Amino acid sequence: KAGVTQTPRYLIKTRGQQVTLSCSPISGHRSVSWYQQTPGQGLQFLFEYFSETQRNKGNFPGRFSGRQFSNSRSEMNVSTLELGDSALYLCASTPGQRNEKLFFGSGTQLSVL
Amino acid sequence: DQQVKQNSPSLSVQEGRISILNCDYTNSMFDYFLWYKKYPAEGPTFLISISSIKDKNEDGRFTVFLNKSAKHLSLHIVPSQPGDSAVYFCAASELGGTSYGKLTFGQGTILTVHP
Repeated sequence: KAGVTQTPRYLIKTRGQQVTLSCSPISGHRSVSWYQQTPGQGLQFLFEYFSETQRNKGNFPGRFSGRQFSNSRSEMNVSTLELGDSALYLCASTPGQRNEKLFFGSGTQLSVL
Repeated sequence: DQQVKQNSPSLSVQEGRISILNCDYTNSMFDYFLWYKKYPAEGPTFLISISSIKDKNEDGRFTVFLNKSAKHLSLHIVPSQPGDSAVYFCAASELGGTSYGKLTFGQGTILTVHP
């Protein structure tokens, strides 16, 4: 099976712009989660989608949003980018039950200038 | 408030010896614990997990121990190999409906295994 695929691999944006990141989960996985990794804060949970519905959400401002399509692919959007949004954004997928190991993609490295 | 803590930022071990990575947690609602390994510019890779109803789980060279009363878990790697050099993250999942897709991660420990 192919793993979790994230595109693009790298992005450079300027403050105030918006960005959309894409994630294709492992075939058959219906849950997609997003995480932000920064040197200062570590890995932090953004949100989780299952069957096109947001089922869980972390403590991030409303500038961070996401959606999931009927084929389980997911996108994450960040509007009005700030310098502090520079991070590695990781997507993970699971079949969708509790207490499952998450399978992570390689991430999208976002730099905000 | 960091609910999962890895107090050792780094650990250096000789090849063939045991590596012991430690993790402490504060949230008594955590009921499932995992260890992930991460290389630079890659996503975390699952290593091993343990449910709160167990106190030990083994998988090859990797063993995870859970001490619920102390809210402490550890990962033992025996024998350590140079290819084990990476950042190791401890993570926990909470009992209840808010846990879908959500893991709380520690800050990570950089393990270096010297030949």
